[in-house]
Amino acid sequence: KQEVTQIPAALSVPEGENLVLNCSFTDSAIYNLQWFRQDPGKGLTSLLLIQSSQREQTSGRLNASLDKSSGRSTLYIAASQPGDSATYLCAALRLSGTYKYIFGTGTRLKVLA
Amino acid sequence: EAGVTQSPTHLIKTRGQQATLRCSPISGHTSVYWYQQALGLGLQFLLWYDEGEERNRGNFPPRFSGRQFPNYSSELNVNALELEDSALYLCASSLTGYGTEAFFGQGTRLTVV
Repeated sequence: KQEVTQIPAALSVPEGENLVLNCSFTDSAIYNLQWFRQDPGKGLTSLLLIQSSQREQTSGRLNASLDKSSGRSTLYIAASQPGDSATYLCAALRLSGTYKYIFGTGTRLKVLA
Repeated sequence: EAGVTQSPTHLIKTRGQQATLRCSPISGHTSVYWYQQALGLGLQFLLWYDEGEERNRGNFPPRFSGRQFPNYSSELNVNALELEDSALYLCASSLTGYGTEAFFGQGTRLTVV
């Protein structure tokens, strides 16, 4: 059974810091790994999708990497801003007939001005 | 291009009643997913529809059901509402159900009193 863990659960940093969010999954047979952002009470915004054949994806100040062998993905945020404050979720799509995303419990990020 | 739209935004129901939640996917997307996000819990997979058929369902009782219409929009029905059904219900769509990027709507906040 696929389990997805995110560490840390919460993080508070001063504006301008570079930071890394971690995501671990137990089943390496994943199809892809997707990172989302969720603002309080809102839906999810897709940030980056990494296919299983890829090792990383970049979008602006965001960079996500995927290491299937170790069961890890990291989301790197450069030069953090107060507007980055949100909960960040990773989700693993399993390589099987079920094709459902298993979500981590998220990292709640607060960037202080 | 319009994103995934969900209606209503908020819904208040009495225990024992039925709730109907609606989702319109991004144009061209054939897969629709439903997730439940209860307070303090992570995102739990409910249902996956693709090309009008239910492809997979999560570990929820049968009173959670739904359907997908020929235009690929979807409806989630929750019968015999219980207090613990209070949650944010999120709908997502993807181009196909097989590993393509998922995009989420803003959710329907269901409150059962």
